[in-house]
Amino acid sequence: SAVISRKPSRDICQRGTSLTIQCQVDSQVTMMFWYRQQPGQSLTLIATANQGSEATYESGFVIDKFPISRPNLTFSTLTVSNMSPEDSSIYLCSVAIFRDSPLHFGNGTRLTVT
Amino acid sequence: DQQVKQNSPSLSVQEGRISILNCDYTNSMFDYFLWYKKYPAEGPTFLISISSIKDKNEDGRFTVFLNKSAKHLSLHIVPSQPGDSAVYFCAAYSFTGNQFYFGTGTSLTVIP
Repeated sequence: SAVISRKPSRDICQRGTSLTIQCQVDSQVTMMFWYRQQPGQSLTLIATANQGSEATYESGFVIDKFPISRPNLTFSTLTVSNMSPEDSSIYLCSVAIFRDSPLHFGNGTRLTVT
Repeated sequence: DQQVKQNSPSLSVQEGRISILNCDYTNSMFDYFLWYKKYPAEGPTFLISISSIKDKNEDGRFTVFLNKSAKHLSLHIVPSQPGDSAVYFCAAYSFTGNQFYFGTGTSLTVIP
């Protein structure tokens, strides 16, 4: 498995501002994903972070709101832009070393928007 | 549309007894199924998986059963321990769709 580090672990942000979450993996991985877990709900896939190209977004998520970078095989960022209280959630980075291997998750970033 | 469902939001079991967590799915194209355990303030931790070509996979106290005709999988924990108290998520993956789908989780409490 891979060791996944994220920054920040939590933040409280004001409405209308943006926050960038970083995800660092200790080894090269084939797939990186960003998930969101809202209170009492399941894990929802935001997007697949593609190395060297634009991320692939799921229905209901757009690049202007959640820009993602993945400059190499060990690092990715997710930005939550123009935040509103509805964006309050836990945001998680996850990786799969190979295409048919299990997903591994970091500890997530708890975001509160006031 | 929830493609993976965990209909029991919570479960309580006495220490030493068997815990059975259930999961249903709707998409027959899923190839690979997984169980995750999540403690508060931590990310989900991978527990055990099963390929669609098998009907059982065992790892220590944890066994996953897959019933493809019923589109149902279950996780058995025997014997249950207080440290098993956590939220358990099932997940399903399609190699063609290249996406993991998660259930809503079942909170397991193991009573000492």
